[in-house]
Amino acid sequence: DAKTTQPPSMDCAEGRAANLPCNHSTISGNEYVYWYRQIHSQGPQYIIHGLKNNETNEMASLIITEDRKSSTLILPHATLRDTAVYYCIVRQGTTGTASKLTFGTGTRLQVTL
Amino acid sequence: DTEVTQTPKHLVMGMTNKKSLKCEQHMGHRAMYWYKQKAKKPPELMFVYSYEKLSINESVPSRFSPECPNSSLLNLHLHALQPEDSALYLCASSQYGGSTEAFFGQGTRLTVV
Repeated sequence: DAKTTQPPSMDCAEGRAANLPCNHSTISGNEYVYWYRQIHSQGPQYIIHGLKNNETNEMASLIITEDRKSSTLILPHATLRDTAVYYCIVRQGTTGTASKLTFGTGTRLQVTL
Repeated sequence: DTEVTQTPKHLVMGMTNKKSLKCEQHMGHRAMYWYKQKAKKPPELMFVYSYEKLSINESVPSRFSPECPNSSLLNLHLHALQPEDSALYLCASSQYGGSTEAFFGQGTRLTVV
């Protein structure tokens, strides 16, 4: 699986958009970009994933660059409950295998009043 | 039901004890995972089961013994652990293949004394 690079920490004011970047320059054609978050001492929570197109769900938006070498997770209106460690992961999408989900070091997002 | 249930939530065991961690899901997922997470570190993959067969072992010491008795259950048998094995142990499950999200349990906090 391709490695990812994320900033170790970011701050965001409550109510503002939080934009979390991720570099995955060695991503291959069949690898998906996944985002998870982990609130202190809880299990990781799935946020969103995508292959090449931008994706949006009720939690967030995922913007993937055209060359697929980087992506940005957008939380449109951050709240204090969004304070967590956010992990960007690339994962093989081939069927017929139970593929690994390998976590990098993540970005610690602190949302403040 | 998108829940992965892990029991117990907390476990304290001596270095000569034998104990087991249990994970259960009823989403029909055929891939199940064990992760280990030390404090302030990302989760590290230990084992992957595909269709109740062990498909990935990330060179985990033999004092950790996984078992998948059926498609809904995953156990992790622990024997002769060391204090440095104290960690949060996370279970996850997913559909087969890499293009669908994995769901995580809340983990078992293990302390080895």
